[in-house]
Amino acid sequence: DADVTQTPRNRITKTGKRIMLECSQTKGHDRMYWYRQDPGLGLRLIYYSFDVKDINKGEISDGYSVSRQAQAKFSLSLESAIPNQTALYFCAPMGTGCTDTQYFGPGTRLTVL
Amino acid sequence: GEDVEQSLFLSVREGDSSVINCTYTDSSSTYLYWYKQEPGAGLQLLTYIFSNMDMKQDQRLTVLLNKKDKHLSLRIADTQTGDSAIYFCAERPGNTPLVFGKGTRLSVIA
Repeated sequence: DADVTQTPRNRITKTGKRIMLECSQTKGHDRMYWYRQDPGLGLRLIYYSFDVKDINKGEISDGYSVSRQAQAKFSLSLESAIPNQTALYFCAPMGTGCTDTQYFGPGTRLTVL
Repeated sequence: GEDVEQSLFLSVREGDSSVINCTYTDSSSTYLYWYKQEPGAGLQLLTYIFSNMDMKQDQRLTVLLNKKDKHLSLRIADTQTGDSAIYFCAERPGNTPLVFGKGTRLSVIA
């Protein structure tokens, strides 16, 4: 979705490095989500936020942290990257209306060596 | 618990119909969704169906919902090579995050 931006799009880093993935959206949605995608495992929820002061752990939050700097921005950090965090990461804002659904960013492909 | 199941692979010939099936577990889900992921891209919402509907049609796409069996299907008529992608089924159990299946990889043979 063109209204959701993720940076960087690709990143190669080394074990032990700190890395931040950024997401911004122009849809005005309060809710934002971070997922990782691994082949054969589908999408797994890492963290989500219902508004600027709200942060919730998802299914696989260990090794990750997040920051909701503003309604439009939600960043994901790996404090000390490890190889099994190599994956495709997606940010997905979502509205709160009954018919609202999630809109996905283009993804960040992260490789940890 | 919440779980969405779908087969991992489907192969069809160009021009045939494709049917991708999904089962979900939470009967309180008010909306069910189908997303499409093309190579190198994020997930794109294809269609969704409200839980009080049995069927929804949108051009070549037909969604069927059997709420009693918690079964959802996506039919793509006249499948084209451009339909080759991974298709994800997702449910929305109340006010919680969407729960996604692992995705069905559709391969279209010319």
